[in-house]
Amino acid sequence: GAGVSQSPRYKVAKRGQDVALRCDPISGHVSLFWYQQALGQGPEFLTYFQNEAQLDKSGLPSDRFFAERPEGSVSTLKIQRTQQEDSAVYLCASSLQGGEAFFGQGTRLTVV
Amino acid sequence: QKEVEQNSGPLSVPEGAIASLNCTYSDRGSQSFFWYRQYSGKSPELIMFIYSNGDKEDGRFTAQLNKASQYVSLLIRDSQPSDSATYLCAVGGGTSYGKLTFGQGTILTVHP
Repeated sequence: GAGVSQSPRYKVAKRGQDVALRCDPISGHVSLFWYQQALGQGPEFLTYFQNEAQLDKSGLPSDRFFAERPEGSVSTLKIQRTQQEDSAVYLCASSLQGGEAFFGQGTRLTVV
Repeated sequence: QKEVEQNSGPLSVPEGAIASLNCTYSDRGSQSFFWYRQYSGKSPELIMFIYSNGDKEDGRFTAQLNKASQYVSLLIRDSQPSDSATYLCAVGGGTSYGKLTFGQGTILTVHP
């Protein structure tokens, strides 16, 4: 596609609910990143894939967070048993390996 | 010490002036440096990247990199009200290979 596509754009979840956020990267981009951005802060790294391999998941805040990219294209970020502190914008970005990263529009998650 | 630090804002400049945004980083092995612009409620948009020491110019924007001082800056000449946004510095490579680490952002306001 022309750009990175994320869905849904907005998600309201009740505390304790599981959510799944989808990212469709730019076609041919090897690298895929997930970031979490709180209001007024810069994006915080969550995890990084190169093709289907998850090379770095050091930023995932707890074992409730899980990401996958099984075929090296679309990625899903799953958050189990959501908590209020999970409320944030979740950004996905993709790049050719080591190159400039392009962001999707993000998913705004609100946990109530 | 944060891995990527940006000069504290907000920064306010008059229309037509030069806006100077600064960023320092801690990983001496970092190899790629990016400036993103983020309008309120939108995702980050790549405006400049630089890989080598020195200056890189693109229209009204100039990125400057000094690896010895671990310092990167962005100059915006002839600032326009439409430049008002949050500017994010991002650093990649080094020990974190593909991962981009962001600063907290500097809010720039250009007033007519």
